[in-house]
Amino acid sequence: EAGVVQSPRYKIIEKKQPVAFWCNPISGHNTLYWYRQNLGQGPELLIRYENEEAVDDSQLPKDRFSAERLKGVDSTLKIQPAELGDSAVYLCASSPQQGGGSYEQYFGPGTRLTVT
Amino acid sequence: KNQVEQSPQSLIILEGKNCTLQCNYTVSPFSNLRWYKQDTGRGPVSLTIMTFSENTKSNGRYTATLDADTKQSSLHITASQLSDSASYICVVKGYSTLTFGKGTMLLVSP
Repeated sequence: EAGVVQSPRYKIIEKKQPVAFWCNPISGHNTLYWYRQNLGQGPELLIRYENEEAVDDSQLPKDRFSAERLKGVDSTLKIQPAELGDSAVYLCASSPQQGGGSYEQYFGPGTRLTVT
Repeated sequence: KNQVEQSPQSLIILEGKNCTLQCNYTVSPFSNLRWYKQDTGRGPVSLTIMTFSENTKSNGRYTATLDADTKQSSLHITASQLSDSASYICVVKGYSTLTFGKGTMLLVSP
């Protein structure tokens, strides 16, 4: 079974440029998460989807970040324009279900973004 | 505010030795506690998930304990191997949110 797929794995852009990350979750997983992980820190949730609905986007900087999961399967996270402080690893994860259960979260390898 | 504190921040041990990593949390309500291993350049991989009623759980050479009364957890690694070098992240789930610790960076030296 394929795991969570993310692309690209690495991206280097200049500040003020746009950038997009793509994630394909594990087949059948209806919950999808985007996290940002700074060096030496734990992941921080940006947005969580249940199918195509964004149910928690309270930590997403909406002035420059946007995300979509149109058909409830794969998802795209966009930054426009990028700032130096956006340099981080962007992780995508999926799980069969959320709510109060102990459902396992499966992480992708992440996209390492460097803004110069 | 929900918080997860991990200690030590980093640790170096010799191959074959045991070690214990600590996690204290203030997440409420409590649903479950997870330990993840994150290799450099990779996404986190789950080691254990423990609910309120579970005191200990093992996964090979990894054994996690949970004291829900004191809100503490530990991850014990037995007979460490070079491949255990990684960051170990404690994550506590409330009703619908996950609170991540900053991780403990473990280096196993030959």
